[in-house]
Amino acid sequence: GNSVTQMEGPVTLSEEAFLTINCTYTATGYPSLFWYVQYPGEGLQLLLKATKADDKGSNKGFEATYRKETTSFHLEKGSVQVSDSAVYFCALKAGSSGDKLTFGTGTRLAVRP
Amino acid sequence: EPEVTQTPSHQVTQMGQEVILRCVPISNHLYFYWYRQILGQKVEFLVSFYNNEISEKSEIFDDQFSVERPDGSNFTLKIRSTKLEDSAMYFCASGGASGSRTDTQYFGPGTRLTVL
Repeated sequence: GNSVTQMEGPVTLSEEAFLTINCTYTATGYPSLFWYVQYPGEGLQLLLKATKADDKGSNKGFEATYRKETTSFHLEKGSVQVSDSAVYFCALKAGSSGDKLTFGTGTRLAVRP
Repeated sequence: EPEVTQTPSHQVTQMGQEVILRCVPISNHLYFYWYRQILGQKVEFLVSFYNNEISEKSEIFDDQFSVERPDGSNFTLKIRSTKLEDSAMYFCASGGASGSRTDTQYFGPGTRLTVL
């Protein structure tokens, strides 16, 4: 079946550090890939997405590239801010399974001033 | 900006009791979903709803669960007889404006259900 694996958290970084959160997936067909972010006390917000191989999704300085050869969609940001502290979820939507989302476990990011 | 809302934010109930979790999706959306996250585990799909009927459900969504869109604005999840293992954060989501089955699902802030 479909699955998403994320790196374990929490991840603690100093402000302006480089961020990578690893995400790999297993899916049949050609899935769409997503990163959602959950700020404290809020719902899941779409951060970025990519719908086919080699697409790069980007938003708010974050980016992730859909790598079919390595079945990965790693999230990166060149310089994190305290306001980026949140839980980040990688997810996929596979065409063969309709339109439900399959999520990873989430990675908590804490950014220190 | 339109958003999905959920009430209550936290619900505490006794095992065996019925609970109803409420959601107000974004007004022009046509597809509605419930997901849940047991503490420390993955966000799991429960059910999707379109055109006043369930379009897909997971194996978690057994006979104890039901969904309803009673009045054209609310979308509810009912658990008939709660079990300890139903304790989780429940997320509502909506998507697909104007009949287009878009990829993006918009989530509410969640209801934390605690079953004692």
